[in-house]
Amino acid sequence: QTVVTQEPSFSVSPGETVTLTCGLSSGSVSTDYYPSWYQQTPGQAPRTLIYSTNTRSSGVPDRFSGSILGNKAALTITAAQADDESDYYCVLYMGSGSWVFGGGTKLTVL
Amino acid sequence: EVQLVESGGGLVKPGGSLRLSCAASGFTVSHAWMSWVRQAPGKGLEWVGRITSSADGGTRDFAAPVKGRFTISGDDSKNTLYLQMNSLKTEDTAVYYCTTVGNPGYFHHWGQGTLVTVSS
Repeated sequence: QTVVTQEPSFSVSPGETVTLTCGLSSGSVSTDYYPSWYQQTPGQAPRTLIYSTNTRSSGVPDRFSGSILGNKAALTITAAQADDESDYYCVLYMGSGSWVFGGGTKLTVL
Repeated sequence: EVQLVESGGGLVKPGGSLRLSCAASGFTVSHAWMSWVRQAPGKGLEWVGRITSSADGGTRDFAAPVKGRFTISGDDSKNTLYLQMNSLKTEDTAVYYCTTVGNPGYFHHWGQGTLVTVSS
């Protein structure tokens, strides 16, 4: 069974840069998995941030960027702001019409 | 502007059935790839199933935990997507989100979700 791994939690100070990662329990994440990233605040629906590794969704500030770092997909938030405090989820396309989400990272900005 | 509005959630007993609806505006459901994603209380997101556009054959795929119990369909006249859930289990308790599927393979637009509670 494929498991997509994310850091359970991360803390960053306002103005600093943070990189969240998305890996596989077995193997490396590549662009072939079309990694995408979503932001969710409590009680709200997720918001699409990044798709196809590094393409920002409409209206997403350029402080958010996606990449492949080593064997993982990565979401980098530059100059973090207080309202970036959210849960962040990655998802990988596994082919044959199926996707697997990571467990999510709870980002605290303080 | 694309909008997705889910409805049909509620309390159902284990073994029961429920049909969720996702009313779409701003596009035609049958022309789009659509998906359902759920989130159990206090837990992360989980992909449930996907249907391709009519032009791409209307192919349906489902996650292992729901395969054989859930199905997806659409009604062109109402521009609405449905998730039919049968043989419900307590572990199906979640907020269910309807999404469009962008190219390539990501969840683009999201509805606000509808809560399904499976409990005796």
